[in-house]
Amino acid sequence: EVQLLESGGGLVQPGGSLRLSCAASGFTFSDYAMNWVRQTPRRGLEWVSAVPADGSNTYYADSVKGRFTISRDDSTNTLSLQMNSLRAEDTALYYCVKGGGYCHSTNCLPRGDHWGQGTLVTVSS
Amino acid sequence: EIVLTQSPATLSLSPGERATLSCRASQSVSTYLAWYQQKPGHAPRILIYDASNRAAGIPARFSGSGSGTDFTLTISSLEPEDFAVYYCQQRSSWPPAFGQGTKVEIK
Repeated sequence: EVQLLESGGGLVQPGGSLRLSCAASGFTFSDYAMNWVRQTPRRGLEWVSAVPADGSNTYYADSVKGRFTISRDDSTNTLSLQMNSLRAEDTALYYCVKGGGYCHSTNCLPRGDHWGQGTLVTVSS
Repeated sequence: EIVLTQSPATLSLSPGERATLSCRASQSVSTYLAWYQQKPGHAPRILIYDASNRAAGIPARFSGSGSGTDFTLTISSLEPEDFAVYYCQQRSSWPPAFGQGTKVEIK
């Protein structure tokens, strides 16, 4: 059974940093692209970032480009999201998502085949 | 960026009735469209991928159709556990985008 367990969320001040982690199990982690998707009541679901199975590239939404960094560690089956220069509009529930579809070094067209339960990030002073 | 518009925003139906949900894309997404179900307090769950393929373990009462810019999710006969919010998602171009959702509520 696929399991994705996010951690690292919390309250942070504007301009601060936070690192999210996702512990994956129940599948061969190194065979799959992985993603972060966030959700807010106001803006709905937003695809934040993706990394192909081989880690050959990284993809970001314009809203987080230059501030967020996605990474994967296949030795520990862990996906991470380093979030810097956080803004109030980054407040959201962040989901770790096992990708289906297509995501490789030259293009990334993913879908969300399995989702974790999410970790809440609140950016506020 | 591609924008997805779902209609209606809310669908009020009784168990046993047929539900028809619409998703319209601002430009063609071919058949690169997925549907998800989300219940309160839970993460989204994929139902349909590539417009018409049911994901593993999804009951046959869920079906998807369409191509280009117009797509439909049909629930042939609503079960009590089907009352939820449904989202469409395109993966024709980066970044993937979601519609704003259709809530299927009990009438």
